Amino acid sequence: DVKVTQSSRYLVKRTGEKVFLECVQDMDHENMFWYRQDPGLGLRLIYFSYDVKMKEKGDIPEGYSVSREKKERFSLILESASTNQTSMYLCASSPPGGGNTIYFGEGSWLTVV
Amino acid sequence: AQSVTQPDIHITVSEGASLELRCNYSYGATPYLFWYVQSPGQGLQLLLKYFSGDTLVQGIKGFEAEFKRSQSSFNLRKPSVHWSDAAEYFCAVDNDYGGSQGNLIFGKGTKLSVKP
Repeated sequence: DVKVTQSSRYLVKRTGEKVFLECVQDMDHENMFWYRQDPGLGLRLIYFSYDVKMKEKGDIPEGYSVSREKKERFSLILESASTNQTSMYLCASSPPGGGNTIYFGEGSWLTVV
Repeated sequence: AQSVTQPDIHITVSEGASLELRCNYSYGATPYLFWYVQSPGQGLQLLLKYFSGDTLVQGIKGFEAEFKRSQSSFNLRKPSVHWSDAAEYFCAVDNDYGGSQGNLIFGKGTKLSVKP
């Protein structure tokens, strides 16, 4: 089975802190994604990466950055956390190209106080 | 730009009753279409997907979906709902058919509650 692992399920951080959300996949997938999920808004794409050291902005990249130094790992970085970034963050991976199944991690619940 | 609309935010059905969740998409050509399910506190799991060919697609857990080009719809159905089907369901379309890099556009989701 494909496994996408988000190392932190629940985090509480203070406003202004730098936050790292880590994601690892074990299927050698080229594509990796970070989505944000909020009630009534569905899933919104923050960033995605289709290769090591490559990244593309999604729909809501402001306030976030990403890092992909190794194929299996994709990190989401909040440079200076704010309360409006309190949310559920979902990491995902897939093979390259259109139409492939995207596999999701279980999510990281981030609360910024 | 592609978009996905799920008109129903919340649906309640009785256990054993049939279910239909609606999804409409906006796209010029025939898109790749997906349905995902999310149990409380969990990530998303693929139920089924449509690329081309037979417009009735079978998925896991007894779900099926029908692609109707004339209505730009991809509705999800199940003939008899079980209590374990209570979850949130997301319809999605591939962001760029043909030139896609594989990212999806999701609808806002439909939450399904099941009455005993």
